[in-house]
Amino acid sequence: EAQVTQNPRYLITVTGKKLTVTCSQNMNHEYMSWYRQDPGLGLRQIYYSMNVEVTDKGDVPEGYKVSRKEKRNFPLILESPSPNQTSLYFCASSLSGGPANTGELFFGEGSRLTVL
Amino acid sequence: QKEVEQDPGPLSVPEGAIVSLNCTYSNSAFQYFMWYRQYSRKGPELLMYTYSSGNKEDGRFTAQVDKSSKYISLFIRDSQPSDSATYLCAMIRAAGNKLTFGGGTRVLVKP
Repeated sequence: EAQVTQNPRYLITVTGKKLTVTCSQNMNHEYMSWYRQDPGLGLRQIYYSMNVEVTDKGDVPEGYKVSRKEKRNFPLILESPSPNQTSLYFCASSLSGGPANTGELFFGEGSRLTVL
Repeated sequence: QKEVEQDPGPLSVPEGAIVSLNCTYSNSAFQYFMWYRQYSRKGPELLMYTYSSGNKEDGRFTAQVDKSSKYISLFIRDSQPSDSATYLCAMIRAAGNKLTFGGGTRVLVKP
């Protein structure tokens, strides 16, 4: 089954404790992206990657890091989480050329992160 | 001011009614327009994609784009309780790779 898999789905952590949210897709997609979703603010892009070893900042990259060493994986790293990073996070992937080609992003089921 | 504005709702309609959703945007560089549906505790999924002004129909769904007014709409005919979800508009600039989303409108279709 074609899918984007995120882990963990739920996480409660404390300020300053480094964490990684993993994302993996099995559709051989070149484009991958991370979003956060907050009430009233909608989905905002954190980082995106056009291909292996190619990443770029989205609208809200502060406090986050990413890496793209393999085509299928695109982990999101919070080096020193803070309470304002409490949010619902989505990983998404798309065919070559990014979402402009077809408009379609395939989303994972989300990771709800709480930072105390 | 947000680049893409969308009424958060909730919009409550009886089963069988027409659901009318819309978004306005401020940047004329947006050229590609999408509607995504998001069920509770799920990721968004693409419903409609269009890149020109006018109407596009797919089953019970019609997407409308008016670039001159910077306004897009989604209509759902013969609404069903299974249409209850949050609907997000999204758009991309020409030659861009970043989707800009509206905040989403929550829709409730009552049986």
